[in-house]
Amino acid sequence: QVQLVESGGGVVQPGRSLRLSCAASGFTFSSYALHWVRRAPGKGLEWVAIISDDGNNKYYAGSVEGRFTISRDNSKNTLYLQMNSLRAEDTAVYYCGRDPGSAYAYYGMDVWGQGTTVTVSS
Amino acid sequence: DIQLTQSPSFLSASVGDRVTITCRASQGISSYLAWYQQKPGKAPSLLIYVASTLQSGVPSRFSGSGSGTEFTLTISSLQPEDFATYYCQQLNIYPFTFGPGTKVDIK
Repeated sequence: QVQLVESGGGVVQPGRSLRLSCAASGFTFSSYALHWVRRAPGKGLEWVAIISDDGNNKYYAGSVEGRFTISRDNSKNTLYLQMNSLRAEDTAVYYCGRDPGSAYAYYGMDVWGQGTTVTVSS
Repeated sequence: DIQLTQSPSFLSASVGDRVTITCRASQGISSYLAWYQQKPGKAPSLLIYVASTLQSGVPSRFSGSGSGTEFTLTISSLQPEDFATYYCQQLNIYPFTFGPGTKVDIK
C-alpha cells in the first residue's frame, strides 16, 4: 500500500547534526513532490521544506534556511532532511508528506508518514 | 511571509452540530489552500485541497469554500470521530505556511 516511513530521529545536543530519512513505497516516488513538516511540543504544525519531483527545486521555511537541506534519491525512493546547527527550538515530531501537485501548483500532502521525534537537548 | 489566522481557535460542539471554521490570509493566495485534520498522537490527514475539492475518501459532510484571503471549512453534521484539531495551509507563496489550528472539542 502507499506508505511513507520516517526514521533517523533521536536526542542530539545543540549545535550538532542529524539526518532524517523518509522511505516511500506503493507509488511512483519520482512523480511526486515531497514536504517536511514538524510539530513542536504544545504547538501547531510548521511547514519546513519542499522538494520538487525531480529534485531540482527546493524551498525552505525561514526558521531553517541555511541550516537544513532537503534532498531525495529517486533511485532509492527516499527523501532526506539534513539538519545542521540544531537548536532547542528544532525539537519536534518531523513528518514527511507527499504532494500530488507540481511546480506550477502544489495541492497539499495527501499521504503522510507516522513521524519521527527529534529532541535537541544538552 | 503569508500569515494565516484561524477562528475560532477553540470550539466546543455537540454531535450533529454544524461547524464552521474560518481561515484568513494576510494577502491573496488564490485558491491554493488545504485543510487538514489531526488527532492526538497521529499524523495529519488531508481533508480539502485547492480550497474546495474534497480529498478522496473524506466524508461528504466536510466541505470547503473561499478564495483570495478568506476561506471556510464546514462540517455539516459533527460526528464523534470529528473531534480533532483542524489546520489550514497556504500553498501559493513560499514559504508555505499553516494556520495556528482550531481545536474542536466535545460539548
